[in-house]
Amino acid sequence: EDKVVQSPLSLVVHEGDTVTLNCSYEVTNFRSLLWYKQEKKAPTFLFMLTSSGIEKKSGRLSSILDKKELSSILNITATQTGDSAIYLCAGSSYDKVIFGPGTSLSVIP
Amino acid sequence: EAGVTQSPTHLIKTRGQQATLRCSPISGHTSVYWYQQALGLGLQFLLWYDEGEERNRGNFPPRFSGRQFPNYSSELNVNALELEDSALYLCASPRERGPYEQYFGPGTRLTVT
Repeated sequence: EDKVVQSPLSLVVHEGDTVTLNCSYEVTNFRSLLWYKQEKKAPTFLFMLTSSGIEKKSGRLSSILDKKELSSILNITATQTGDSAIYLCAGSSYDKVIFGPGTSLSVIP
Repeated sequence: EAGVTQSPTHLIKTRGQQATLRCSPISGHTSVYWYQQALGLGLQFLLWYDEGEERNRGNFPPRFSGRQFPNYSSELNVNALELEDSALYLCASPRERGPYEQYFGPGTRLTVT
C-alpha cells in the first residue's frame, strides 16, 4: 500500500535556527515528490522533485530527493516566525498523490 | 490569472443528508483533484478528474462521487453523510496533466451534525 511518512510530526524552534524536515515514501510508479506549506487552509506549493531534478532551492528553503533511500528532506535556514506552518510532503504517481501527515513547525521569537 | 475557486466556504449538514461541493480550476487547466483533510489527519486523495472523465479515486466509499463539466469545473457529492465526513475538502488544479505541482483552492469546511 502506498504511504508517505514524515518526521518529526511537530517541532518548536527559535527564530534563526535551521530545521530539517524528513519525508520517506513508498509510492507505486513514483513520479515526483512534492512539498507544500499549509498555514490556514489551502496548501501552497513549495517544490517538486523528480528523477531529473533532485535538488531545489528557493531563498532560505531547499530540498533534496534521495531516490535510493526513497526519501527527501526540506531544510529551512534562519527560520522566521512566518515559517510557522504545517509542511506537507507528497509522493505522486501518474494518477494519484499520497500526502504524509505533515510536520507542524512553530518558530518562536 | 484567477486561482482555484471553491464554494461554498462552509457547509453544515445533518447526518444522512447529501452535500454538494464545487470547484473551478485555474483557467485552461483540465484536471481537478479532490482531497479530504479531516482534523488531525493529512490530506487524503479522493478523486481525480481530467477532461470530463474520472481517472482515479482514492480509498473512499461509493457515496463519495463527483463529476467534471465541459468547462472543467467539478462537483463533489457526498451522500448519506456521516459524522466522520466532517472535514476540510480541498480541490487542486495541476499545471499539467498528471499529479505535478498542484494549486489548491481555499477549501470547503463541511460540518456534519
